[in-house]
Amino acid sequence: GEEVAQTPKHLVRGEGQKAKLYCAPIKGHSYVFWYQQVLKNEFKFLISFQNENVFDETGMPKERFSAKCLPNSPCSLEIQATKLEDSAVYFCASSQTGTSNQPQHFGDGTRLSIL
Amino acid sequence: GENVEQHPSTLSVQEGDSAVIKCTYSDSASNYFPWYKQELGKGPQLIIDIRSNVGEKKDQRIAVTLNKTAKHFSLHITETQPEDSAVYFCAPPSGRRALTFGSGTRLQVQP
Repeated sequence: GEEVAQTPKHLVRGEGQKAKLYCAPIKGHSYVFWYQQVLKNEFKFLISFQNENVFDETGMPKERFSAKCLPNSPCSLEIQATKLEDSAVYFCASSQTGTSNQPQHFGDGTRLSIL
Repeated sequence: GENVEQHPSTLSVQEGDSAVIKCTYSDSASNYFPWYKQELGKGPQLIIDIRSNVGEKKDQRIAVTLNKTAKHFSLHITETQPEDSAVYFCAPPSGRRALTFGSGTRLQVQP
């Protein structure tokens, strides 16, 4: 498609449950980025992919968080054993190439609420 | 990595006035400087960007200026309208392409 599509829009989980978020990048874009936005507008980079390969995972928490981008499937971000502090809006962005001067286009995010 | 500072954090202007938001960065190798607009409940939307080989770029009421020597770039919005009210972010990429977001500027345009 011509927009980054993220599902679901809102996800509610009890503490300790699993959460899985999905992202379909813009068709033809080979790079996918995941960001977390918490209170006070702060954005944190989590992980990026070049097609199905991890490109940069320096922002990814070592435990509980995992992500995949498989051929012919939406990319996914999974959080095991969720904690209250995981409550945030998770954004996915895609870009046509991975060069540093290429724009990234964002979806409208998934709001994750951990109760 | 890139360190980014954005000012001001809030900005209130009267409709028709101009608004300027400034972003400073630390990585002298940076070569791409985007500005995003985020409305409530939406993802960041790219509104203008500039590459390091030019000093200014304009798109209708929006412009971006770049000072590579001083390592800062600014967003200029002229003839502001109520629909310009949103949170604006500068977000230069780090060496590994991930965007480094500023802390955001909440712009309020008073009718």
